[in-house]
Amino acid sequence: DTGVSQNPRHKITKRGQNVTFRCDPISEHNRLYWYRQTLGQGPEFLTYFQNEAQLEKSRLLSDRFSAERPKGSFSTLEIQRTEQGDSAMYLCASSQSAGELFFGEGSRLTVL
Amino acid sequence: AQRVTQPEKLLSVFKGAPVELKCNYSYSGSPELFWYVQYSRQRLQLLLRHISRESIKGFTADLNKGETSFHLKKPFAQEEDSAMYYCALRSGGSNYKLTFGKGTLLTVNP
Repeated sequence: DTGVSQNPRHKITKRGQNVTFRCDPISEHNRLYWYRQTLGQGPEFLTYFQNEAQLEKSRLLSDRFSAERPKGSFSTLEIQRTEQGDSAMYLCASSQSAGELFFGEGSRLTVL
Repeated sequence: AQRVTQPEKLLSVFKGAPVELKCNYSYSGSPELFWYVQYSRQRLQLLLRHISRESIKGFTADLNKGETSFHLKKPFAQEEDSAMYYCALRSGGSNYKLTFGKGTLLTVNP
């Protein structure tokens, strides 16, 4: 297991298009998190799954954002009708219960 | 609301000098505090947590509840310590959500 894997690593899209990011957590981890990081800021919490259940969504996550974790394994984060303000690094992390979070390398979104 | 403040965006020291990265937090309950590090072209990773009370790579951090601080210290900095450091807080009532500071970029000069 090479750790948390995220794809694609970089996505450039035009405003108004939809994008989807995928996260494959460490296989035995039951928790999965999405964070967003913009330039000069620390990571900001977006949402969290315990197995397949999405237990919290930050108010940062507008209606254009949706995240899923079918079967409690990989997760997808979809952004509809992208805006320039969505440009950021989207980080995925996983953990076994309340243990240490392991982060992926991130998916960088650039909205033109 | 919980908040983490790292007052220094940039910190530059010479090799062998002591280093202290400051972190202050605001939270009314009993928080868990962490330091995360991101080396160049690598992913964010946990450096240490206050409950472990351990030294990792020569770094230590003590939780001071009176001053609401969790400063990261190392007596003799090494060039390989150059990285981005983030302080993070996890509230006792929410054992999943981390609140991060904005980070401090440490540069250790030869």
